[in-house]
Amino acid sequence: QSVLTQPPSASGTPGQRVTISCSGSISNIGSNTANWYQQLPGTAPKLLIYSTNQRPSGVPARFSASKSGTSASLAIIGLQSEDEADYYCAAWDDSLNGPVFGGGTKLTVL
Amino acid sequence: QVQLQEAGPGLVKPSETLSLTCTVSGGSVSSVSYFWTWIRQPPGKGLEWIGYIFNNGNHNYNPSLKSRVTISVDTSKNQLSLNLTSVTAADTAIYYCARVRVTRDFDYWGQGTLVAVSS
Repeated sequence: QSVLTQPPSASGTPGQRVTISCSGSISNIGSNTANWYQQLPGTAPKLLIYSTNQRPSGVPARFSASKSGTSASLAIIGLQSEDEADYYCAAWDDSLNGPVFGGGTKLTVL
Repeated sequence: QVQLQEAGPGLVKPSETLSLTCTVSGGSVSSVSYFWTWIRQPPGKGLEWIGYIFNNGNHNYNPSLKSRVTISVDTSKNQLSLNLTSVTAADTAIYYCARVRVTRDFDYWGQGTLVAVSS
């Protein structure tokens, strides 16, 4: 069981807006920033969002994220076929003094 | 461009020790601006943090693996290493090394190496 809770799956059609939620606790998301990773099939995870809502260079602006209390969410606006991937949320956990992850959400573009 | 490359045996027998290295290029494991971590992913499952290490050797391990894990850095080779003892089938996974920024995110990852535990 993962420390952070994500829905196992999500889907949308091209052009749609999709959101993925991530629920944690006071010791992780409640006290620290959230990060999101995109894992395309057969590849290593890639940093998608850091410090809750910052996009690394090269990440399209259609990806955005936010946090409220002990939950975080990732939004994709204008869904594209190449967005089909697994998405993982992560946050530092003060009790663990290390990172914790969500179980991942498999995004399907219909 | 920073690159990380994991290496090690793809098959380990139960009860033996899993040993992997991660060679860093385009950056230095001695940098005070970053630290380094190992993460694993069982086939078809999610990500699990194993542990991290700073350039001075200070480290922290996941409590669930702490009794079996050792992570070290070799600045002369610009490498980090992972040893996991007494492995079982539950340790079968893709093992990744990654760089950790002060923002506590992982900005560069290795491609990962699949290690199967089987007799």
